[in-house]
Amino acid sequence: DADVTQTPRNRITKTGKRIMLECSQTKGHDRMYWYRQDPGLGLRLIYYSFDVKDINKGEISDGYSVSRQAQAKFSLSLESAIPNQTALYFCATSDQGGQGAYGYTFGSGTRLTVV
Amino acid sequence: AQSVTQPDIHITVSEGASLELRCNYSYGATPYLFWYVQSPGQGLQLLLKYFSGDTLVQGIKGFEAEFKRSQSSFNLRKPSVHWSDAAEYFCAVAPYNNNDMRFGAGTRLTVKP
Repeated sequence: DADVTQTPRNRITKTGKRIMLECSQTKGHDRMYWYRQDPGLGLRLIYYSFDVKDINKGEISDGYSVSRQAQAKFSLSLESAIPNQTALYFCATSDQGGQGAYGYTFGSGTRLTVV
Repeated sequence: AQSVTQPDIHITVSEGASLELRCNYSYGATPYLFWYVQSPGQGLQLLLKYFSGDTLVQGIKGFEAEFKRSQSSFNLRKPSVHWSDAAEYFCAVAPYNNNDMRFGAGTRLTVKP
């Protein structure tokens, strides 16, 4: 099994619908992140969490919310999806103690299309 | 604010040729520096990282990168490219607490037979 699992892998949804993307990890890492990837823009940070009680906004949090249900689970919600949220979404984890020493472990991504 | 620039959007090299992918960063202090690779349909995989010490770092798959403080650069190199290296490569920077990693826009590598 993958260290970081994202579900679903692909999703098409309609404008205005609520959608949740889920992420679970077996790395035992405290820190989890949600990024979106757009062509020519690289990855941009949406939200991050250092532990279950710690949630922080990233660079582009508007229109998104997150929930850290457990150390191993971090979900991203689009409350009312809009077409410009069409993107590839990645969940990532990192080790708290490393202060960046180990980089991030990424999931395989969720391709979301909003029509 | 910290930022990362990868000047080359797309590079094509012949198999067996050498490769250098450029990365420049803007940050108040020396950040942590990373290179990731993304194969089609996959997530990002860490190739190598630099924190301090020797400015030439070795990574997986035969890649290396050199940190040059005077140029604010962290270029990725490989002496001989293999067809399986075709992918997109991302440079990233992070402050010491690793809570705001910034990625470059990526460089797509095509390998010609």
